[in-house]
Amino acid sequence: SQKIEQNSEALNIQEGKTATLTCNYTNYSPAYLQWYRQDPGRGPVFLLLIRENEKEKRKERLKVTFDTTLKQSLFHITASQPADSATYLCALYSSASKIIFGSGTRLSIRP
Amino acid sequence: EAGVAQSPRYKIIEKRQSVAFWCNPISGHATLYWYQQILGQGPKLLIQFQNNGVVDDSQLPKDRFSAERLKGVDSTLKIQPAKLEDSAVYLCASSVGPLGPTEAFFGQGTRLTVV
Repeated sequence: SQKIEQNSEALNIQEGKTATLTCNYTNYSPAYLQWYRQDPGRGPVFLLLIRENEKEKRKERLKVTFDTTLKQSLFHITASQPADSATYLCALYSSASKIIFGSGTRLSIRP
Repeated sequence: EAGVAQSPRYKIIEKRQSVAFWCNPISGHATLYWYQQILGQGPKLLIQFQNNGVVDDSQLPKDRFSAERLKGVDSTLKIQPAKLEDSAVYLCASSVGPLGPTEAFFGQGTRLTVV
């Protein structure tokens, strides 16, 4: 059956360090992989996406990699700040605009 | 540009009662999604519309949930009768459609508590 797993429920790191979140999937062939941020009491907000034929994508302090052989994406936040504390969701976008989400990783950045 | 509007923000009902949620997507967005998010979990896709047609409703419990998007704009999601396990946040999202940018824009959600 199709499954999307994000490596850990919660991740705590110190301010200034790089946070690395993992997303693994099985039995999917997504056209894109997306990452969203969700703050408590709010809907997810789109951050960036990476296409199946791309290895890496960057946006400011964010970097995403996509390995279709391993069926894995890594999401990095460099020079992390307390304001980066939130839940991060990976999502697979496949044909007909279908978007399926993982369970999320709750990231806490301590000062 | 106005975002995705949802109402109500909160709803408390007793089990076996019915409830309806409303969503107004971003103007011009052809694709509309309803997700259910249980506390501590990721959003689960319930139903996806392309204009006023259903693209995917494989995860929608059709014995109690129904949804419509009659004119290809607003949408309503109904639960009848509600069960305790339906307590969750119901999120509506929209996107341009298959030929446009793929990101989904979400509303703030409706938090449903069934007691």
